[in-house]
Amino acid sequence: SQTIHQWPATLVQPVGSPLSLECTVEGTSNPNLYWYRQAAGRGLQLLFYSVGIGQISSEVPQNLSASRPQDRQFILSSKKLLLSDSGFYLCAWSVGNSPLHFGNGTRLTVT
Amino acid sequence: GEDVEQSLFLSVREGDSSVINCTYTDSSSTYLYWYKQEPGAGLQLLTYIFSNMDMKQDQRLTVLLNKKDKHLSLRIADTQTGDSAIYFCAERNTGFQKLVFGTGTRLLVSP
Repeated sequence: SQTIHQWPATLVQPVGSPLSLECTVEGTSNPNLYWYRQAAGRGLQLLFYSVGIGQISSEVPQNLSASRPQDRQFILSSKKLLLSDSGFYLCAWSVGNSPLHFGNGTRLTVT
Repeated sequence: GEDVEQSLFLSVREGDSSVINCTYTDSSSTYLYWYKQEPGAGLQLLTYIFSNMDMKQDQRLTVLLNKKDKHLSLRIADTQTGDSAIYFCAERNTGFQKLVFGTGTRLLVSP
């Protein structure tokens, strides 16, 4: 069966520090991969999605970037965090027209 | 562009039925989804419906789709305190690999 792993679960970082969140999927090949952000009390905002290795589509211009170095690995990064980057970051995967399946999320607090 | 809207809050008593509503703007949506998010967790897929269907029932859950009015609803029969969570509807367009989510409805079930 397929599983998705996100880490870390919780992260507290100072303003201006770098960020790296990692997501891996097991049990499937060539998945579509997604990064969503959920700000406190708000809905989900799609940040990036990828349909293959090295293929990244950005939905919202910001100081975040994403990379897909391997088929089942998706990384969210920032060189310098802003206070406004605080939120709950969710990774998800899908295959074809299947529903999205989400990881448990990373709670990021920028101080 | 695509837009999905939900009411923010719903409060019911244990044992009653809950109805969570969602409206969307994209007439070419192919699949519509309902996800559940418990505190501090990722999103769990509850059910989904293909756009050529009017209704889908799955145990205590009933999904109704009015494609003419672009209205989707989720009915939870015999609501339990464990159903307290945020419920998101989402729509997927033909040819697109991403989902657009609503703002989420917080369901509170009181004993």
